[in-house]
Amino acid sequence: SYELTQPPSVSVSPGQTASITCSGDKLGNKYACWYQQKPGQSPVLVIYQDTKRPSGIPERFSGSNSGNTATLTISGTQAMDEADYYCQAWDSSTGGFGGGTKLTVL
Amino acid sequence: QVQLQQSGPGLVKPSQTLSLTCAISGDSVSSISAAWNWIRQSPSRGLEWLGRTYYRTKWYNDYAVSVKSRIIINPDTSKNQLSLHLKSVTPEDTAVYYCARDPKGWGYMDVWGKGTTVTVSS
Repeated sequence: SYELTQPPSVSVSPGQTASITCSGDKLGNKYACWYQQKPGQSPVLVIYQDTKRPSGIPERFSGSNSGNTATLTISGTQAMDEADYYCQAWDSSTGGFGGGTKLTVL
Repeated sequence: QVQLQQSGPGLVKPSQTLSLTCAISGDSVSSISAAWNWIRQSPSRGLEWLGRTYYRTKWYNDYAVSVKSRIIINPDTSKNQLSLHLKSVTPEDTAVYYCARDPKGWGYMDVWGKGTTVTVSS
């Protein structure tokens, strides 16, 4: 499977900007997407095709992807954004997920 | 509004077959744009994509290398659902199993089922 690497944890103060990275071989040549998961819930898509937001996802969520790294950025982070975040991409018709990043809003 | 309703046993004995069903409402398993996926999640393995099925004038399946020898994903057009069968399970297959829709077959999943916790134990 396609291996994607994320930092285990990221901390941010309320109102500040949080950045979560996802690294993979030539990831910039593929589409990356991001999911948010809160305890006891199913994952929710927050970014797809590198930069697009599904309807209902706040504008403070944005994404980028270049080289070997995709980045999820949350501007003006709120307490409700505290969750686990997972990146995902495809390689040769198989899907791969990053190990997840726990975002703590202190 | 698309919804995915999962069902199946929560306990499976080692060496037996794990079987789950995902009933689709608001879309069709035969959609020529969507793809239908199974994913599992465990503390040790995190989120793990298992496989998908999709229809494009004929049926296609893709499976993760890690389970390819043991997995079958079948569409059931009469019931508008898909199923997961994972053979010869071990305790390492203990996980929460999700079905999810990829609306365009482009690799992102916009609708997820609620998940089914499956424990492999004698």
